[in-house]
Amino acid sequence: SFGLTQPPSVSVSPGQTATITCSGDKLGHKYASWYQQKPGQSPVLVIYEDNKRPSGIPERFSGSNSGNTPTLTISGTQAMDEADYYCQAWDRNTVVFGGGTKLTVL
Amino acid sequence: EVQLVESGGGLVQPGGSLRLSCAASGFSVSDNYMTWVRQTPGKGLEWVSLIYSAGSAYYADSVKGRFTISRDNSENTLNLQINSLRAEDTAVYHCARGGILAVMGGYYFDFWGQGTLVTVSS
Repeated sequence: SFGLTQPPSVSVSPGQTATITCSGDKLGHKYASWYQQKPGQSPVLVIYEDNKRPSGIPERFSGSNSGNTPTLTISGTQAMDEADYYCQAWDRNTVVFGGGTKLTVL
Repeated sequence: EVQLVESGGGLVQPGGSLRLSCAASGFSVSDNYMTWVRQTPGKGLEWVSLIYSAGSAYYADSVKGRFTISRDNSENTLNLQINSLRAEDTAVYHCARGGILAVMGGYYFDFWGQGTLVTVSS
């Protein structure tokens, strides 16, 4: 199996762009998904298959996977985006989550 | 409307057992791959188990041999039998529904339940 590494924390000013990366030494090109979790709530899917956005997720959320490094980008970050974000991938019948990134909107 | 409601958590002594259930509505658990994910308070998400629509099941190394995932299609529930509980199994256990698999390897989870708390303590 493999591990996924995320920065523990990212800070951004309101209206600016937040970028959260997800890396793994054996990641290769595996499709990544991203989840948002606010305190006391269950995770919410915000990006799947690297760059697809579920219905109901604002357009300011986008995903990419370049050089086998999945990235979540939040453009025009709002205070309501403050949350923990987790990347997730699948490999050979195993699901792996990154350690999570706490996004702070200052 | 898709909903997932977990139940069955509680306080149990080390070595004890519990059976967690996840009642689904708005879809059939047998039609989707499903998963259990746990989260220790204040910590990150940890994958526990996965079951495909065909019925094959897989487990994280930390729970292999102690946990068993299953489905009750008549009740439309996903279950997790957890045995030989350890203190490190203390967590909130979430069930989640797998999304539409459009590309090989593109597994993801589009709906999550609120979770049920399992506390292992003497």
